[in-house]
Amino acid sequence: EPEVTQTPSHQVTQMGQEVILRCVPISNHLYFYWYRQILGQKVEFLVSFYNNEISEKSEIFDDQFSVERPDGSNFTLKIRSTKLEDSAMYFCASSEAYPGRSSYNEQFFGPGTRLTVL
Amino acid sequence: GQQVMQIPQYQHVQEGEDFTTYCNSSTTLSNIQWYKQRPGGHPVFLIQLVKSGEVKKQKRLTFQFGEAKKNSSLHITATQTTDVGTYFCAGPGSGAGSYQLTFGKGTKLSVIP
Repeated sequence: EPEVTQTPSHQVTQMGQEVILRCVPISNHLYFYWYRQILGQKVEFLVSFYNNEISEKSEIFDDQFSVERPDGSNFTLKIRSTKLEDSAMYFCASSEAYPGRSSYNEQFFGPGTRLTVL
Repeated sequence: GQQVMQIPQYQHVQEGEDFTTYCNSSTTLSNIQWYKQRPGGHPVFLIQLVKSGEVKKQKRLTFQFGEAKKNSSLHITATQTTDVGTYFCAGPGSGAGSYQLTFGKGTKLSVIP
């Protein structure tokens, strides 16, 4: 069964450093997402990406964040200058359709990257 | 902005007891999705409800979407230890054609054997 993969599984970094989190969405999916989950809290939307551009982003996704699809398979999240409060689990997800449609639009989540900022 | 509220936050049940979690949205939803997250795992899609008043069943799980499409529930009959995890409801953003999912805070289910 196809799945979303993410690397690395755990990233430890110093405050102020740049990190890049990598994801390989399911190959025939068109919509890609990043979410984060601070330990013990709910899953929070960061950004969605379609047709090689950001389609929607949340308040969390400020100028320190950027996304890129550098080739036909990878989807990356970059945090330019990490802060302590960026420590969280970051999930990548992909879907065939976007959530606002009433047709089937299940989102498939990757296993996540645990980011620890020291 | 849109809010999705979920209660209870935690539920401890004896194995074999029933469990229900409730979800309420501040806005009308075009659809609602339910996800399960096992401890240490990632959210896994369970189901999507689209129609007003819709009821769907998956074995011991029953999902309902309210008539006004602002609330939903998940009921598990005769819980088992494999049901342990956090159950999230999620709805699309309030804007037309929103690309984001707004998750509730989840209900963490513990099942005592």
